[in-house]
Amino acid sequence: KAGVTQTPRYLIKTRGQQVTLSCSPISGHRSVSWYQQTPGQGLQFLFEYFSETQRNKGNFPGRFSGRQFSNSRSEMNVSTLELGDSALYLCASSLPGRLNEQYFGPGTRLTVT
Amino acid sequence: QQQVKQSPQSLIVQKGGISIINCAYENTAFDYFPWYQQFPGKGPALLIAIRPDVSEKKEGRFTISFNKSAKQFSLHIMDSQPGDSATYFCAAAPQHGATNKLIFGTGTLLAVQP
Repeated sequence: KAGVTQTPRYLIKTRGQQVTLSCSPISGHRSVSWYQQTPGQGLQFLFEYFSETQRNKGNFPGRFSGRQFSNSRSEMNVSTLELGDSALYLCASSLPGRLNEQYFGPGTRLTVT
Repeated sequence: QQQVKQSPQSLIVQKGGISIINCAYENTAFDYFPWYQQFPGKGPALLIAIRPDVSEKKEGRFTISFNKSAKQFSLHIMDSQPGDSATYFCAAAPQHGATNKLIFGTGTLLAVQP
């Protein structure tokens, strides 16, 4: 079974621009979560989607948004990029229901200059 | 307080030794505790997980010990190998709501010397 895939793997953007990251979950997985990983803050939960609905949201500004499509693929968008948004953005997928194992993709490395 | 405190920040172990990483939490409303392993340039990979109704879980060389009363859990890596050199994260899942949100510890960089 193919793992979680994320595209693009690397991205360089300028302050003020916006960016869209994509995540394709493992086949059959309908829950997708997004995390931001930085050296200073570690791994922080951004949001979670299930059946095209946002089920939970972390403490990030409204510039961070996401959505999920009917095929469970998910995208996250960051508008008006700031230098502090430079991070590894990770997507994780799991089967429906709580406490199921979450599998992470390789991440998208975003650099904001 | 929904935090998970992880220690040590870094750890050096000789090949064949035991690596021990500790995590502690304050809020009792956690009911799932996974450990993840991350290599440079890769996403975290699930190693082993435990629920609070058991005190220990073992999978191969990896063991989780869980102390519910102390609100602590730890990862033991037996017979540590150079290939185990990676960053390890503990995590906890809040109990409320239908969510898979995980709260992560700050990570432990493990180096196993040959």
